[in-house]
Amino acid sequence: DAKTTQPPSMDCAEGRAANLPCNHSTISGNEYVYWYRQIHSQGPQYIIHGLKNNETNEMASLIITEDRKSSTLILPHATLRDTAVYYCIVSDMNRDDKIIFGKGTRLHILP
Amino acid sequence: EPEVTQTPSHQVTQMGQEVILRCVPISNHLYFYWYRQILGQKVEFLVSFYNNEISEKSEIFDDQFSVERPDGSNFTLKIRSTKLEDSAMYFCASRDSRGRRWAFFGQGTRLTVV
Repeated sequence: DAKTTQPPSMDCAEGRAANLPCNHSTISGNEYVYWYRQIHSQGPQYIIHGLKNNETNEMASLIITEDRKSSTLILPHATLRDTAVYYCIVSDMNRDDKIIFGKGTRLHILP
Repeated sequence: EPEVTQTPSHQVTQMGQEVILRCVPISNHLYFYWYRQILGQKVEFLVSFYNNEISEKSEIFDDQFSVERPDGSNFTLKIRSTKLEDSAMYFCASRDSRGRRWAFFGQGTRLTVV
């Protein structure tokens, strides 16, 4: 089973920042937090990952709490194309660790 | 940006027939995966493959399923005798062993068993 808890759905106005929360209270020291998204029925797309420091790339920012029990994915200026299901996943990818998808958060970007 | 390629994009097959789904992972990647997604449901792990052998498989991956890396570039999923409930999107993924440790997914093959 997935080791994360996410709200089933969220709405965000176009142009605003979308903040997607994730709880992972049982995360272990070797596990990273990964975020993927799935637009319609396309293949999941990697967004960002982190261990304990906050991370930023061209797509998003990842804020991880100091105790690592929760994190927030931030899409700084959401567009309609960001409408998708967003998955928060914890995994020790230093090993041959599979990705286990939960139900994710269905993000609706409203025009 | 490198990508994982899957063929065909859509396959329709009769119940009881064998199907082979094909994937070309990103070159130099060492870990390979198959996932499936039944319509309206979550993405489910089927099998992981490393060093020319299965490293882990789920309960879904029973004796009807097999995987192969026949020529060092392709990675295939075979379903020997398809059932109606095998209808789903099947996603292939690959991952590097170092550096970029996230997985790249293909666009999927939609399998319809009739």
